[in-house]
Amino acid sequence: AQKITQTQPGMFVQEKEAVTLDCTYDTSDPSYGLFWYKQPSSGEMIFLIYQGSYDQQNATEGRYSLNFQKARKSANLVISASQLGDSAMYFCAMREGSGAGSYQLTFGKGTKLSVIP
Amino acid sequence: GAVVSQHPSWVICKSGTSVKIECRSLDFQATTMFWYRQFPKQSLMLMATSNEGSKATYEQGVEKDKFLINHASLTLSTLTVTSAHPEDSSFYICSARDLMPTRGGSPLHFGNGTRLTVT
Repeated sequence: AQKITQTQPGMFVQEKEAVTLDCTYDTSDPSYGLFWYKQPSSGEMIFLIYQGSYDQQNATEGRYSLNFQKARKSANLVISASQLGDSAMYFCAMREGSGAGSYQLTFGKGTKLSVIP
Repeated sequence: GAVVSQHPSWVICKSGTSVKIECRSLDFQATTMFWYRQFPKQSLMLMATSNEGSKATYEQGVEKDKFLINHASLTLSTLTVTSAHPEDSSFYICSARDLMPTRGGSPLHFGNGTRLTVT
């Protein structure tokens, strides 16, 4: 079974609207963390937001928020007030366990977001 | 914020030659670094975990003799693609674990990647 599933290969959103990018995960480890990264065409991985499995509140960073539903094993990214510069690939990723090696990430296949003016 | 410098950002080499890619943490010590490979329009796949002062741990299917990893200091890990072939052409990207991330920040920092083309 895939550890990270992103079911939306591509998404379109109107500028200034909000958009939700889906991510579900699969792990039996009680300690894990979920990341969202943005990858523009230039290739660099831009960190957006992080949620630890023991965090009580949903993570938020500016226009980004993570809708963490632990029982459903979902960690959807919500981008509010979309901007043209948000057009990029978005990856959901997970780390599992504790210790130094636990920060190796498993990535989903990504969602290509296109913001329409 | 914490920065990871990866060099070179792109390289073209001839088949059969070797290429070295550097990943350097600029303002923090990284005892653990990770190397990923990304083929066009695909996701990132972990190749190996690099630990300072010890041998790297390779993922299944990754040839350790072909992709040599050295992590000789707390701030530098290198990936050498030996006897490169066209099928090794890919985007290689490293990440480093930050043991003291800022509040709300990421415990991981990525380099900007290296685009390797083998002709």
